[in-house]
Amino acid sequence: AQSVAQPEDQVNVAEGNPLTVKCTYSVSGNPYLFWYVQYPNRGLQFLLKYITGDNLVKGSYGFEAEFNKSQTSFHLKKPSALVSDSALYFCAVRDMRGGADGLTFGKGTHLIIQP
Amino acid sequence: DGGITQSPKYLFRKEGQNVTLSCEQNLNHDAMYWYRQDPGQGLRLIYYSQIVNDFQKGDIAEGYSVSREKKESFPLTVTSAQKNPTAFYLCASSFWRGTGSTDTQYFGPGTRLTVL
Repeated sequence: AQSVAQPEDQVNVAEGNPLTVKCTYSVSGNPYLFWYVQYPNRGLQFLLKYITGDNLVKGSYGFEAEFNKSQTSFHLKKPSALVSDSALYFCAVRDMRGGADGLTFGKGTHLIIQP
Repeated sequence: DGGITQSPKYLFRKEGQNVTLSCEQNLNHDAMYWYRQDPGQGLRLIYYSQIVNDFQKGDIAEGYSVSREKKESFPLTVTSAQKNPTAFYLCASSFWRGTGSTDTQYFGPGTRLTVL
């Protein structure tokens, strides 16, 4: 079985400060990891994914994420937050050996950027 | 959201009615998915389909049905057997290249279903 934990329901950051949204995962094999963002009453937008290779993955809108195998983590980061980054963020994992149903999502973290 | 359309955006259902949510994609994706989103629970998989005329149950399939007669379409029917259908429903699609596929799922804009 695979699972994703996003330990913070909400993260508050002042505009211009760096932000981190945490994600830890559990899979039997090697993981594929994804971050998505959701704005109110909208679908999910893909931000970035880790498949293999460099542990630091760069994605859309200036976001990046760091894969840490020993800590089974895939935290989302941005050097300087914008008010427009305020949204709901989801981490997801797929076991490399999984089938088409294999994407498991965390419960989401509300990111609030204060002006 | 580009390339995946869902309709209607808002849907109201009376107790005991079946309703069908539409999902269409023009991305030539092989696989399509239906998720349910409830506040604080993330996304839960209802059904998925890797190829035309084939589909599989996800984690919460009870009270739902699907069909995949065309590659670009994957409608979801919420039946009267679904005890608590009020939720936000999201359709997604991706290429599918077999076990170990790294393909990204892309999502439609969602349908909000409310039971009156």
